[in-house]
Amino acid sequence: DQQVKQNSPSLSVQEGRISILNCDYTNSMFDYFLWYKKYPAEGPTFLISISSIKDKNEDGRFTVFLNKSAKHLSLHIVPSQPGDSAVYFCAASPGYNAGNNRKLIWGLGTSLAVNP
Amino acid sequence: SAVISQKPSRDICQRGTSLTIQCQVDSQVTMMFWYRQQPGQSLTLIATANQGSEATYESGFVIDKFPISRPNLTFSTLTVSNMSPEDSSIYLCSVGYLAGSSPPTFGQGTRLTVV
Repeated sequence: DQQVKQNSPSLSVQEGRISILNCDYTNSMFDYFLWYKKYPAEGPTFLISISSIKDKNEDGRFTVFLNKSAKHLSLHIVPSQPGDSAVYFCAASPGYNAGNNRKLIWGLGTSLAVNP
Repeated sequence: SAVISQKPSRDICQRGTSLTIQCQVDSQVTMMFWYRQQPGQSLTLIATANQGSEATYESGFVIDKFPISRPNLTFSTLTVSNMSPEDSSIYLCSVGYLAGSSPPTFGQGTRLTVV
């Protein structure tokens, strides 16, 4: 049973436009969420995170939105650049606020292609 | 954030053999984590490697199949024992706490193919 779902295996956008990557989760105990980016033959690289006490976190071109009632988060990349082409993973932590500071539950990833 | 060197980056192994994956961190860390990503699947935590004590394994993973060593605060190994084609995966080591100042960092991964 997939507790963190990234329902779009792939996404293609034009350079300069907005990329929106979506992530849904089923466990209401999840209280900390992270996005990672992964290039081929490399490990995942941290991108941005959000705690459940917030509904938005922004870092440069990257913004993550959290809708707790819908158990949904999204990553917005504006403007998209060809170098953003990678696989993006959503991950959630069960019990961050309760002291569980290590275990992450991961989605399957969305492959983003930004076309010049 | 910590820099992790993981090797080998890839290997092709015969079934029934074992492979040891090494993970070297450029700073001292209390815990190191080992993940597996099977084809078409998400990353799954195998175990947490603590220095000076036995590793803590997640449900579905056992020490006989995935023995882990943690001889010091900067190094760990994961062995995939008695391999079968089902063990073909990407194996990753990671350091970092969610509650710390840096989120989890990953090595570049080991792509294992068992034939």
